[in-house]
This record gives sequence, structure tokens and C-alpha cells, in this order.
Amino acid sequence: EPEVTQTPSHQVTQMGQEVILRCVPISNHLYFYWYRQILGQKVEFLVSFYNNEISEKSEIFDDQFSVERPDGSNFTLKIRSTKLEDSAMYFCASSLRQTRGPSGANVLTFGAGSRLTVL
Amino acid sequence: AQSVSQHNHHVILSEAASLELGCNYSYGGTVNLFWYVQYPGQHLQLLLKYFSGDPLVKGIKGFEAEFIKSKFSFNLRKPSVQWSDTAEYFCAVNRANAGKSTFGDGTTLTVKP
Repeated sequence: EPEVTQTPSHQVTQMGQEVILRCVPISNHLYFYWYRQILGQKVEFLVSFYNNEISEKSEIFDDQFSVERPDGSNFTLKIRSTKLEDSAMYFCASSLRQTRGPSGANVLTFGAGSRLTVL
Repeated sequence: AQSVSQHNHHVILSEAASLELGCNYSYGGTVNLFWYVQYPGQHLQLLLKYFSGDPLVKGIKGFEAEFIKSKFSFNLRKPSVQWSDTAEYFCAVNRANAGKSTFGDGTTLTVKP
């Protein structure tokens, strides 16, 4: 079964450092997402990406965050200057979206997550 | 904006007990509904989904959920839980043909052997 893969599985960084989290979505999927889950809290939407641009973002996704699809397979989340409160599990997801009909649309396939610890 | 409420924060059951986890959403239009499960140390996995048609949806591992439009609910059920069902369960909703999903706070299920 196709998988979304994420690297690294765990990253520890110092406050103020830049972090790049990487994701390889399912190859025929068209929409890509980043969510995060702070320990003990709910899964929160960060950003969605389609056709090489951000389609939607949440209030959490401020100027410290950016996303990129540098090639045909990778989808990255960059945090420019990490803060303590950025410590969380970051999940990448992808979906095969169809403009009409329900079949397969918007079913997110999640990666295993990247745990970010900011010290 | 749409929101999702899961009424039970933590549920503790003995093996073979029946399970029902509540989920209500606030959006009034056409929605797609999902239940995801997160086993300890693992990533989110889709349990089941509802897009249209029969409001009683069957998923993996013996789970099912019923969509009751009039109540804006999508409760998850399982007639007989197992120790291996211990996990966190998330209800999620998105508007039909929209991208992002909104998740509930999650319900932690602990099944005692």
C-alpha cells in the first residue's frame, strides 16, 4: 500500500535554529498538507498546498513557516527560527482530490510524523 | 468555521465491552466525515469514512460509525473491544470538495485485558 514517508523521525534543535522537515507524498496525489500535534493536544491544520502554491493556511502558519515542493517528489516544511512552542509532532499528509464526486477525495493519508523538540 | 467536538476525553473499558465514541460537528453544509486512529507510537490511520449514501459505515477492525444528519453526529462504535484497540481516536470533518480536515480533540481509549 502506498505510504507517505517523513524524515527525520525525530529532530532535536536549539531555539532560534532553522529546521526543515521532509515528506514524500504518495506519487499520484495532488494535495499536500502539514498538520501538527503538540503533546496531549489535538491535531491542528497548518497548511495545504496544491499546484505549487499554498491553497490554505491557518493562523499558526506565520512568517516563520514556509513550505516548498523543490522537486517532483519532496514536500518540505521549514521553520526559520524555532521557538520552544514549536515542539510538536509534525504530520505530513497527501490526498487525491477530485473536483466532483466523493470517491477518494479528501481522504488524507498521513505519514508517521516527525517529532521536533526545541530546547 | 467548522468545528468538531468529541465528548469523551478518556474512555476505559474492559475487553469485550461495547464502545461508542461521540462526535459532533458544526458545519451546516455537505460534509465528509472520518475517524482516524493513532496507536501508541504510531501515525494516524484512517478507520473509516463517510461521503454519501448509507449512513452506517463499516471500517476496518470491526469498527462502524453512523452519520445522523439531523444531529450533526458521526459516532464510532464497536460491539466488542480488544486490548489492541487501545489508542487515540480522532473524528475529523471537511466540507465536500474542500481540502483541509478539522480534527476533534481526540478520545483516548484504554482497554483493560
